[in-house]
Amino acid sequence: DAKTTQPTSMDCAEGRAANLPCNHSTISGNEYVYWYRQIHSQGPQYIIHGLKNNETNEMASLIITEDRKSSTLILPHATLRDTAVYYCIVRGYTGNQFYFGTGTSLTVIP
Amino acid sequence: GAVVSQHPSWVICKSGTSVKIECRSLDFQATTMFWYRQFPKQSLMLMATSNEGSKATYEQGVEKDKFLINHASLTLSTLTVTSAHPEDSSFYICSANNRYEQYFGPGTRLTVT
Repeated sequence: DAKTTQPTSMDCAEGRAANLPCNHSTISGNEYVYWYRQIHSQGPQYIIHGLKNNETNEMASLIITEDRKSSTLILPHATLRDTAVYYCIVRGYTGNQFYFGTGTSLTVIP
Repeated sequence: GAVVSQHPSWVICKSGTSVKIECRSLDFQATTMFWYRQFPKQSLMLMATSNEGSKATYEQGVEKDKFLINHASLTLSTLTVTSAHPEDSSFYICSANNRYEQYFGPGTRLTVT
């Protein structure tokens, strides 16, 4: 079962930062937070993942709170192509199954 | 990055027939692959975990005799929907693990008429 909760939808102006929150209050110490996105009728695309520390890559930044009960995905300069459903997933260290929650539908507005 | 392919990308079949969907990891070996189903405007639902050389593990509520999974090699897993019915129409997506990431295929759209 999904262990995350996310807002159903969000809008963001093109060129601005998109901040997508995720709650995972029951996360265990060895569980990772993963973010994927899915553009309509395609397979999910990996964005970023983290355990405790904040992470950054060419696509996004991931901010994890100190108690690890929530996180925020940041797309620094949203473009129209970032319009998608964004999924926050908690993954165990030994188990590889991903249980998807409802995700956040992000719409980037021109 | 690692690539996972699926074939076919879409298929239409008649009620009562069986359909096989292939999932391949193109540039890495995957001892474990996963199958998901996604209905319109819904999230992905994990159906089963496909293990190379052993039986698949099905999620609760998924009929193993209806959704046959075979993982005969480290790069290929197949999902066969047996005796398909219109309610089986859905978007089927596979994924495979490579180190810390799980790579997803592009999905297969199944329509049962």
